[in-house]
Amino acid sequence: ETGVTQTPRHLVMGMTNKKSLKCEQHLGHNAMYWYKQSAKKPLELMFVYNFKEQTENNSVPSRFSPECPNSSHLFLHLHTLQPEDSALYLCASSQAGTGGSYGYTFGSGTRLTVV
Amino acid sequence: AQSVTQPDIHITVSEGASLELRCNYSYGATPYLFWYVQSPGQGLQLLLKYFSGDTLVQGIKGFEAEFKRSQSSFNLRKPSVHWSDAAEYFCAVGEGYGGSQGNLIFGKGTKLSVKP
Repeated sequence: ETGVTQTPRHLVMGMTNKKSLKCEQHLGHNAMYWYKQSAKKPLELMFVYNFKEQTENNSVPSRFSPECPNSSHLFLHLHTLQPEDSALYLCASSQAGTGGSYGYTFGSGTRLTVV
Repeated sequence: AQSVTQPDIHITVSEGASLELRCNYSYGATPYLFWYVQSPGQGLQLLLKYFSGDTLVQGIKGFEAEFKRSQSSFNLRKPSVHWSDAAEYFCAVGEGYGGSQGNLIFGKGTKLSVKP
């Protein structure tokens, strides 16, 4: 399998649930990104990982907890979410330090609904 | 700081008509510029990118974009729009290599609707 794969594609969770989003890339990249996309704020960068180390956290609430065990996998652990957290969550990857010149490869996203 | 402006939130064109989506950027050095397309409920797909050289860049699906340094613009064009082109289009400027982790700065997007 090639490209960036996100699972699940759709997720409905209650506000007291704990769930995780998974992202996997088979491109040999070593930088990975989480974006939140909602109608109100398109493409909000949440987290950046370079060589498994978090290098950017854009003031994301602690109810979102990222994990990057290796350069190919990225998780977003969710707990005690609010309805306003309902959105499309996109994962992307690139070669570290070159995303600005070669661009990112995006996954298809996870559509999250918090009820 | 780098920024990208897409002045049009929503554009509607008739099928078969020509299309131009506007993008203006703010960047101190020679920019790396990108256009991405997003179909409903999907991720972003790279349409084309500009690094240097020829200012007219060809992309996939019949799209092209022209870099105009004097106008700080990178407008996306297509001579004849198809119904399947209905999607959201994002312009982005890249920070190049290293240092700032090579981040992309995205515009807010332009939603394209196509009338039959």
